[in-house]
Amino acid sequence: IAGITQAPTSQILAAGRRMTLRCTQDMRHNAMYWYRQDLGLGLRLIHYSNTAGTTGKGEVPDGYSVSRANTDDFPLTLASAVPSQTSVYFCASTPGGVNTEAFFGQGTRLTVV
Amino acid sequence: ELKVEQNPLFLSMQEGKNYTIYCNYSTTSDRLYWYRQDPGKSLESLFVLLSNGAVKQEGRLMASLDTKARLSTLHITAAVHDLSATYFCAVVRALNSGYALNFGKGTSLLVTP
Repeated sequence: IAGITQAPTSQILAAGRRMTLRCTQDMRHNAMYWYRQDLGLGLRLIHYSNTAGTTGKGEVPDGYSVSRANTDDFPLTLASAVPSQTSVYFCASTPGGVNTEAFFGQGTRLTVV
Repeated sequence: ELKVEQNPLFLSMQEGKNYTIYCNYSTTSDRLYWYRQDPGKSLESLFVLLSNGAVKQEGRLMASLDTKARLSTLHITAAVHDLSATYFCAVVRALNSGYALNFGKGTSLLVTP
């Protein structure tokens, strides 16, 4: 595998349930990101990690948490899903530092009902 | 707060015609990216513009960056149906000890016969 892999590709989730979206990269990139994409709103940053062991909040972090135990993995957790979290979620990575070109996973389409 | 505005948001154009998509941003940045997204797919990097006056061309698409005007353009020459997609510009912004991309809302392009 070369690049970023997300799982699952799609999911229907009952409101109130907990869900973890998985993201793995094999490019040894330092920085990783989670974006959500909603019609008419473009992509908005949820959380990011500049390097393993560190994380930070983006524009729309409420209701989401992340961890970065190692370089390759950056899971996104919805502790108690709500319908407004219905979206397409993209994981991305960059080499870090001054190289900011982002590479994206294939996305996870999440529907909360 | 860094704002990135694209226009138009929707564009229907005939094959063979030329058109320009505009991307304005609100704060200083010396690098800008253009991405393409096909329906239901991920984002694919098109152009990386790293300095004022940068111009990149790939086939029928040409991108330019004017950092003083805080403006990037994506020019389409003699459009063909295969160019139908959504195009995003993204501008680098600083985070705590790192960077992320702020995206415009995207321009949905439809090329018709």
